[in-house]
Amino acid sequence: AQSVTQLGSHVSVSEGALVLLRCNYSSSVPPYLFWYVQYPNQGLQLLLKYTSAATLVKGINGFEAEFKKSETSFHLTKPSAHMSDAAEYFCAVSATDKLIFGTGTRLQVFP
Amino acid sequence: GAVVSQHPSRVICKSGTSVKIECRSLDFQATTMFWYRQFPKQSLMLMATSNEGSKATYEQGVEKDKFLINHASLTLSTLTVTSAHPEDSSFYICSAPRHAGTDYEQYFGPGTRLTVT
Repeated sequence: AQSVTQLGSHVSVSEGALVLLRCNYSSSVPPYLFWYVQYPNQGLQLLLKYTSAATLVKGINGFEAEFKKSETSFHLTKPSAHMSDAAEYFCAVSATDKLIFGTGTRLQVFP
Repeated sequence: GAVVSQHPSRVICKSGTSVKIECRSLDFQATTMFWYRQFPKQSLMLMATSNEGSKATYEQGVEKDKFLINHASLTLSTLTVTSAHPEDSSFYICSAPRHAGTDYEQYFGPGTRLTVT
């Protein structure tokens, strides 16, 4: 069985500051890991994914995440936050085609 | 790129009526599709796996007689909310996985907001 834990339901940063959104996973088999972003009243947009290739994954909009098997983590980072990054972020894990989502982290960016 | 569409994007219905939501993969075939439900300010909860040519697989706690799923073709899955009640009001999202060689991605529809009055 797979599960995902996102620490921190809300994260607030200043514009230009580092963004760090935490995700820890549990999986009995090598997982696929994903980060999605959701803007209000919209569907999900894939930011990046880990599919057992490089452990440091670069995504869209300047985001990246590092797969750390020893820590069972897949934290999402961005060096410099932009106002447009304010949204809900979901980490997800799958070992088959079924995606299991974390509870989400709402990112607020202050000017 | 691959696209998944949903129709309608919004629907308002009266309590006791049924509502059908369509999910289509537009440029790839999907033998499996997934239906999720999202309450306001909450995460996506997997409701069921839609399987082309066979019965859907429902997650624990999801009423299969209330949420009817039909995977009519390799590009279409439908979710019918039967005898809808206000507590069924939610955002429903479908997804379809696509494997291309060693690459794998799950494509999501834009969602359908259901309001039951």
